Amino acid sequence: GDSVTQMEGPVTLSEEAFLTINCTYTATGYPSLFWYVQYPGEGLQLLLKATKADDKGSNKGFEATYRKETTSFHLEKGSVQVSDSAVYFCALSDQLAGGYNKLIFGAGTRLAVHP
Amino acid sequence: EAGVTQFPSHSVIEKGQTVTLRCDPISGHDNLYWYRRVMGKEIKFLLHFVKESKQDESGMPNNRFLAERTGGTYSTLKVQPAELEDSGVYFCASSLWGPPSAEAFFGQGTRLTVV
Repeated sequence: GDSVTQMEGPVTLSEEAFLTINCTYTATGYPSLFWYVQYPGEGLQLLLKATKADDKGSNKGFEATYRKETTSFHLEKGSVQVSDSAVYFCALSDQLAGGYNKLIFGAGTRLAVHP
Repeated sequence: EAGVTQFPSHSVIEKGQTVTLRCDPISGHDNLYWYRRVMGKEIKFLLHFVKESKQDESGMPNNRFLAERTGGTYSTLKVQPAELEDSGVYFCASSLWGPPSAEAFFGQGTRLTVV
C-alpha cells in the first residue's frame, strides 16, 4: 500500500541555518503531496502542496519539489528562525489507489531551532 | 471564523472506561475526518464523513470505536471500552470540498491517555 517515509528527528539547528527534511513516498497512482506543520499547542496546518510531478510548493520561505523520478518531496528552507520550531509531517493523497479521501502521513520530524 | 474545535484537549481514563471525543468542524464543511497518532508514529486515517454519512471507515481499528455525525454538524468518537493501546492524539479535520486538492483544516487534537 501507499506509504510515506520521512527522516527521523529531532533536527536541531541554529538560527539562520539551512534546513532539509527528507521525505520519500510509495504510491500506486499519481499522488498529491503535502507538508503539514504542527506548532506547539496548535493543530496541523497545511504548509505547502504539489499536485503533479515537477511542481514546486512554497510558503513562508519553505519549498518542496515533487520529484517523480526519485519519489521524493524534500522540505527545504534557506534560513530557519526560532519560530519555525515545530513538528513537520509529509503526507500524500492518492486518488488512483482509491484513497482519494484520506491523507497518508509520515511519522513526523521535530525541528528545534535555537538562537 | 472559528476553526476546527476539539473537546476535550486532554483526557486521562482508566482501562475499561468509556471516553467520548467531540469535534466541531468549520461551519459549512461537509467533509469531516478523524485521524489518530499513536506513540509518536504516523498520523493514521480513521474515517471520513460526508455530511452525516460515513464515506469511508476503513481506518477504524476495531468495533470498540464508534463515530457519529448526527445532523451533519459536529461529530463524536466514542471508545468503549478503552484499552491501553488506544492512547494517542486524535485529530479531527474538515474540508469544504472533497480531496485531494482541497485543504483539510485540522483541530488541535485530543490527547487521550489510557492508564
